[in-house]
This record gives sequence, structure tokens and C-alpha cells, in this order.
Amino acid sequence: AQKITQTQPGMFVQEKEAVTLDCTYDTSDPSYGLFWYKQPSSGEMIFLIYQGSYDQQNATEGRYSLNFQKARKSANLVISASQLGDSAMYFCAMRHTSNTGKLIFGQGTTLQVKP
Amino acid sequence: DAGVTQSPTHLIKTRGQQVTLRCSPKSGHDTVSWYQQALGQGPQFIFQYYEEEERQRGNFPDRFSGHQFPNYSSELNVNALLLGDSALYLCASSAYRVPNQPQHFGDGTRLSIL
Repeated sequence: AQKITQTQPGMFVQEKEAVTLDCTYDTSDPSYGLFWYKQPSSGEMIFLIYQGSYDQQNATEGRYSLNFQKARKSANLVISASQLGDSAMYFCAMRHTSNTGKLIFGQGTTLQVKP
Repeated sequence: DAGVTQSPTHLIKTRGQQVTLRCSPKSGHDTVSWYQQALGQGPQFIFQYYEEEERQRGNFPDRFSGHQFPNYSSELNVNALLLGDSALYLCASSAYRVPNQPQHFGDGTRLSIL
């Protein structure tokens, strides 16, 4: 079964510090993509970063980086130098490369950045 | 460059009624996917439209139906509304033949069933 698990319902981080949000996945398909989205209280789902299953290097996008450990089936999001505006819900999602549609989402992690 | 737009932003209905939600994809995108997000949960895939046809469907009853128009915009219709249909409905667009690109989401429609 295809599944995304985010085990941290809520996280706190001090402003300017780094934080890691955990994500594990389960799939038997060798070709897939992993995505992280940020959802502020307004509801909009904002794309942050993407990692392909065959990518040799971990993805990075500005202050966001993805710690991809394929053997462990984990794709943790690292946010460096946290800002107050990073306070939001964060979702890990997976899509199989052969499937251009369906995104499978985890339950999400609420991140609160403290000043 | 307009992103994904959804309308209306909020909607209140009563049980048994029918509702239509609308979505215009990001410029350059030809595929629209719909998701239902219950409070405190991750989004659940409803279905996807490409070339005016439903291409994939999640585990949702037939009360949920959709349509895609020649200009790639899409509608989500829900009949015989239940209290459990209260949720944020998200529309996402993408380019069908570029599978590794992210789906772009709209701000969603918050549907409340009384």
C-alpha cells in the first residue's frame, strides 16, 4: 500500500534555528517523486521542494533542504534559519512517476516558530 | 502569470443540497486535480481531469462528479450533501506530460454543511 507517515503532529522552533520535519513513505514502485508543501492558516498549499527517487543528490531550495534516505524510505524536510513566517502546516506527499495525477499526502506537521 | 484560481472562497449549504465548485488552472497547465481536506487532515485525492475526461478517481462516492471544459477549467459537483462533506476543497493544476513537476494549488473553497 502507498502511504505517507508524518509522526510529529506539532513542532516548536526558536527563530533563526534549524528544524527537521520527519516523513516516511511506503511504496513498492521504484519510480516516484516526493514533495513538501506548506499550508498557512489561509489554506493555500505552497510547493516547497521536490525529490525524485532516482536523484543522486538531496534537493535544496533556498532555506529548504531534503534529507533523502532511500533505503530507510524517509524524506525529511530541513528548514534552516527559521523565520516567524515559517509558522504553518507542512505536508509531505508522494506521487508515482507513472501516475501523473494522484498525490498521496501525510497527516501534516504544524510548525510554530517562536520569537 | 495567474496562478490557480478557485471560486467561491466560502460556501454554506444544508444537507441534501447540491453544490458546484469552480477552478481555473495556472496558465500553461492542462490537467486539473481535486482534493478534499477535512479539518486537521491531509488532502485526499478525489479525481483528475485531462482532455475533458476523468482520468483517475480516488475513493469517493458517485455523489462527487466533475467536468473539464475546453479551456481546461474544471468544476466539482457534489450532490445530496452530507454533514461529512464539510471540508476545504482544493484544486490543483499541472501539465499532464511533465510528471515530476509539482502540482500548483489554489486557495481552496471552504464548504460548510449545516
